[in-house]
Amino acid sequence: KNEVEQSPQNLTAQEGEFITINCSYSVGISALHWLQQHPGGGIVSLFMLSSGKKKHGRLIATINIQEKHSSLHITASHPRDSAVYICAGSLYNTDKLIFGTGTRLQVFP
Amino acid sequence: NAGVTQTPKFQVLKTGQSMTLQCAQDMNHNSMYWYRQDPGMGLRLIYYSASEGTTDKGEVPNGYNVSRLNKREFSLRLESAAPSQTSVYFCASRRSFASTDTQYFGPGTRLTVL
Repeated sequence: KNEVEQSPQNLTAQEGEFITINCSYSVGISALHWLQQHPGGGIVSLFMLSSGKKKHGRLIATINIQEKHSSLHITASHPRDSAVYICAGSLYNTDKLIFGTGTRLQVFP
Repeated sequence: NAGVTQTPKFQVLKTGQSMTLQCAQDMNHNSMYWYRQDPGMGLRLIYYSASEGTTDKGEVPNGYNVSRLNKREFSLRLESAAPSQTSVYFCASRRSFASTDTQYFGPGTRLTVL
């Protein structure tokens, strides 16, 4: 069992739909990261959060520390949101991240 | 400001050959990382360097060596490549300041070992 698990593994949506991607972790982490990997391979950081909720444009990330669970929401999805979304935890007292396997999202017009 | 750069972008090696993957960042970050990404698996840490002059093993260090040449550069060496090292390799640097903690990734190197 992976220490960081994401669901679903694959997700398809119609343009405009509300998207939710889930991340659960079983290790102690000081922060949770969401990253986006474009079809061309590049990886960019979207959010880092240690509590509560953060919003950037149409993206919203939430974390529940007690339940060891985080969600990434995309409102009014668009084909350009098609990518792999990866969650990762910052391990306590280390400089290391531990990664989930990613959720592949495809948004169709 | 180029961010994190990696060379080469693509490489094909024969089993037993050696090569070095180069990584450089111009953001004055202390921490740098090498990851590999394989289908169906999350990014896995090979080696990292918390600061110039220090390196530490990650999750999958076997078959690799690293050098933190200076604050900007962090190279990954395969001494005797094996087909199991076919993967996409990403270098990253980390900015950790106040309440922010962000990793910046290079574009990746796609390596095939025949």
